[in-house]
Amino acid sequence: GDSVTQMEGPVTLSEEAFLTINCTYTATGYPSLFWYVQYPGEGLQLLLKATKADDKGSNKGFEATYRKETTSFHLEKGSVQVSDSAVYFCALSGGATNKLIFGTGTLLAVQP
Amino acid sequence: GAGVSQSPSNKVTEKGKDVELRCDPISGHTALYWYRQSLGQGLEFLIYFQGNSAPDKSGLPSDRFSAERTGGSVSTLTIQRTQQEDSAVYLCASSSQPINEQYFGPGTRLTVT
Repeated sequence: GDSVTQMEGPVTLSEEAFLTINCTYTATGYPSLFWYVQYPGEGLQLLLKATKADDKGSNKGFEATYRKETTSFHLEKGSVQVSDSAVYFCALSGGATNKLIFGTGTLLAVQP
Repeated sequence: GAGVSQSPSNKVTEKGKDVELRCDPISGHTALYWYRQSLGQGLEFLIYFQGNSAPDKSGLPSDRFSAERTGGSVSTLTIQRTQQEDSAVYLCASSSQPINEQYFGPGTRLTVT
C-alpha cells in the first residue's frame, strides 16, 4: 500500500541555520503531497502542498518540490527561527477519499 | 469563521468502559475524517464520511470502533470496551470537498487506565 518515509528526529539546529527534512513516498497513481506542522500544544496545520510533479509548495519561508523521479518531497528552509520549533509531518493523499497517509513526524528544535 | 471543534478535549476512562468522542466540522464541509495519533502507530486514518455516501471504514482497527455522522454534520466516534492500546489523541478533520485541504480539530486525548 501507499506509504511515507521521513527522516527521524529530533533535528536540533541553531537559529538562522539551513533546514532539510527528507521525505520519500511510495504510491500508486499520482498522489498529492503535503507537509503539516504541529506546534507545541496546538493542532495540525497545513504548511504547504503540491498536487503534481515538479510543483513547488511554499509557505512561511518553507519550500518543498514534488519530485516524481525520486519519489521525494523534501522540506527546506533557508534560515530557521526559534518559532519554527515543532513536529513536521510529511503526508500524501489520493484515491476517491483523499485520506491522508502520514510519515512518522520529525521533531525540530531550534536553539537561539 | 469557526474551525473544527472536538469534545471532550481530554477523557480518562477505565479499561472496559465505552467512550464517545464528538466532532463538529466546519459549517458546509461535506467531507469528514477521523484519525488517531499514538506513540506506537503515529498518525493513522480511521474513517471517512462524504455527504450521504457510505463511509469508508477501512482504517478502523477493530469492531469495537464505530462512527456515525448525523445530518451530514456532527460526527461521533464510539469505542466500546476500551483497551489500554486505545490510548491516543483522536483527531477529526473536515474539508469542503475530498480534494481540498483538510482542516484539523484540536483533538481528544483519550487515556485508558
